[in-house]
Amino acid sequence: GNSVTQMEGPVTLSEEAFLTINCTYTATGYPSLFWYVQYPGEGLQLLLKATKADDKGSNKGFEATYRKETTSFHLEKGSVQVSDSAVYFCALSPSIGNNRLAFGKGNQVVVIP
Amino acid sequence: DTEVTQTPKHLVMGMTNKKSLKCEQHMGHRAMYWYKQKAKKPPELMFVYSYEKLSINESVPSRFSPECPNSSLLNLHLHALQPEDSALYLCASSQEGGGRDDYGYTFGSGTRLTVV
Repeated sequence: GNSVTQMEGPVTLSEEAFLTINCTYTATGYPSLFWYVQYPGEGLQLLLKATKADDKGSNKGFEATYRKETTSFHLEKGSVQVSDSAVYFCALSPSIGNNRLAFGKGNQVVVIP
Repeated sequence: DTEVTQTPKHLVMGMTNKKSLKCEQHMGHRAMYWYKQKAKKPPELMFVYSYEKLSINESVPSRFSPECPNSSLLNLHLHALQPEDSALYLCASSQEGGGRDDYGYTFGSGTRLTVV
């Protein structure tokens, strides 16, 4: 089946530090890949996406590259701000079957001033 | 208009009450979704409407009843809920009604439901 794996546990880091959140996936065919962000008390917002191998999605200083050879879509940001504190979900939309979005478990990111 | 609007934002209901959650989008999206989200967990899919027809029901208890009156509106009718149904209920929409989604879903801000 289709699944997304995110690294365990919250991520706590200082302002201006480098952020990496790992995401790997299992899927048949050629899924689209997404990162969603959820700020406290809000719904999910699409942060960035990639639809084919080697595509790089980017938005608000965040980047992720669709790596088919390692089935990964790691999220990175070079210099985080306190306002980046949120929960980040990796997700895939499968190319085979119906339109069920598969989510990872999410990572809480806390940025300390 | 690039938003999904959900009402109410907060709802407290007793176990014998009947209430409804509402969701609206005017982006011309052809698929609409209901998700349930517990604290610190990813959203769990409940229902999918594709071209105004129910296409997926993830074995949701019958005390949750979805309705899609037209392509812009989605309701979730609630009856005889249990305290464990307390959660954030999210509505979402997407451009296409089937197959791979290349654009991403648009989510509403959710309804925070508490069952007492």
